[in-house]
Amino acid sequence: DGGITQSPKYLFRKEGQNVTLSCEQNLNHDAMYWYRQDPGQGLRLIYYSQIVNDFQKGDIAEGYSVSREKKESFPLTVTSAQKNPTAFYLCASWFSGSELYGYTFGSGTRLTVV
Amino acid sequence: AQSVTQLDSQVPVFEEAPVELRCNYSSSVSVYLFWYVQYPNQGLQLLLKYLSGSTLVKGINGFEAEFNKSQTSFHLRKPSVHISDTAEYFCAVTFTGTASKLTFGTGTRLQVTL
Repeated sequence: DGGITQSPKYLFRKEGQNVTLSCEQNLNHDAMYWYRQDPGQGLRLIYYSQIVNDFQKGDIAEGYSVSREKKESFPLTVTSAQKNPTAFYLCASWFSGSELYGYTFGSGTRLTVV
Repeated sequence: AQSVTQLDSQVPVFEEAPVELRCNYSSSVSVYLFWYVQYPNQGLQLLLKYLSGSTLVKGINGFEAEFNKSQTSFHLRKPSVHISDTAEYFCAVTFTGTASKLTFGTGTRLQVTL
C-alpha cells in the first residue's frame, strides 16, 4: 500500500547535536510538508516543498533545515540552533483531484532532548 | 492571514450521547475546509472535507459537518459517540487560491466515557 514512512518513531538528542528525521513517500505526490506539534498549539508549519530542489520556509523555520533531492524524500534536520526541539514531528504530502483533495500524514517522530 | 479557531480544547461526553465540536475560520474568500482525527502517538487521518457543493458533508466513522458561510463555521457532529472516538480532532482551512498550505486549529480533545 502507498503511504508516508517516517523514521525513527522515537529519537533522543543531546544538547548541541544535529539530528535528521526521515520522511519517505511512495504516493507520487509532488508536495511535501513538515509540521511540528506541541500540546495545546495544534500543528505549525516548519518547511514545505512543492517540487524537487525547491522548498519554502513555513511559520517556524528557525533552527531547522530541509532538502528535496528526490520526489520521494523530504528529510528534516533539527539543528543545534533550535532551542526547544522537544516535540512531535509530522510529515505530510499533498494530493489534489476532484475527490481526493487533502493531506496524507505519516505516523510521526517524537523527538526528545536529553 | 487565514486562521482557524476551535473554541473547545476539551469535550467530555458519555458514550451514545451526541457531540458537536466547533470550528470557526477567518476568511473573506473561498475556502476548503477539513476535519482530521489523531489517535495517541499517531499521524492525522482525514475525517471529511468540504470543497464545494452541498454544505452538509458526511465523513468516516459516522461523523458529519456543516459548512456555514455566513457564520464562517464548520462544526463537526456525531449523533452517537463510541468509546473508540476518544481522540484529538483538528479543523483545518486553506484558501482556494493558495491550494495546499493548510492552517490548523489548536485541536479539541474528545473524551468519551461510559
